Amino acid sequence: RKEVEQDPGPFNVPEGATVAFNCTYSNSASQSFFWYRQDCRKEPKLLMSVYSSGNEDGRFTAQLNRASQYISLLIRDSKLSDSATYLCVVNTGTGGFKTIFGAGTRLFVKA
Amino acid sequence: SQTIHQWPATLVQPVGSPLSLECTVEGTSNPNLYWYRQAAGRGLQLLFYSVGIGQISSEVPQNLSASRPQDRQFILSSKKLLLSDSGFYLCAWSQRGGTNYGYTFGSGTRLTVV
Repeated sequence: RKEVEQDPGPFNVPEGATVAFNCTYSNSASQSFFWYRQDCRKEPKLLMSVYSSGNEDGRFTAQLNRASQYISLLIRDSKLSDSATYLCVVNTGTGGFKTIFGAGTRLFVKA
Repeated sequence: SQTIHQWPATLVQPVGSPLSLECTVEGTSNPNLYWYRQAAGRGLQLLFYSVGIGQISSEVPQNLSASRPQDRQFILSSKKLLLSDSGFYLCAWSQRGGTNYGYTFGSGTRLTVV
């Protein structure tokens, strides 16, 4: 089993749709969680951290379920500019040494 | 504010040639530094990380090496490139201590070994 697993994708959605990305992790000792966005041929950029209480940033909502070892990202009212690959990232150690990146899920938002 | 610089952006090198990629961070002290590689259509693979000057840890055995001659400088090297070294190389930094800090990546170097 992979340490961090994401939906394989790609997701093809129309503008305005709501899309959800799922991610599971295998190490119950994992301590911090993030979602990154990576545009084609660019570096990954931090989209948002994921907190146990859940957190929201505009159209984006991230949730963490420690019991199920599951992380989600919800994008509401999708825009064309949301097209990218979304990476689930899990940190299992201190200092960032045990940061595991998921393989990513590609999103295509179409007009 | 903190910035991370990585160069060159694109590189085409023949098999057997040497490699040197450089990364520098500004606006912070004692960062943790990382080198990642991303093969085409694949996930990120951690190659090296460093917690301080001269302190390098390798995650994957290979013909690459890394050095940290200064606090905010991280260099990735190879004496002889292989075809399989082609990929997108990314330098990143994170704050020292704690686990709640994300990474900031440089803009990457796209290496093609021919």
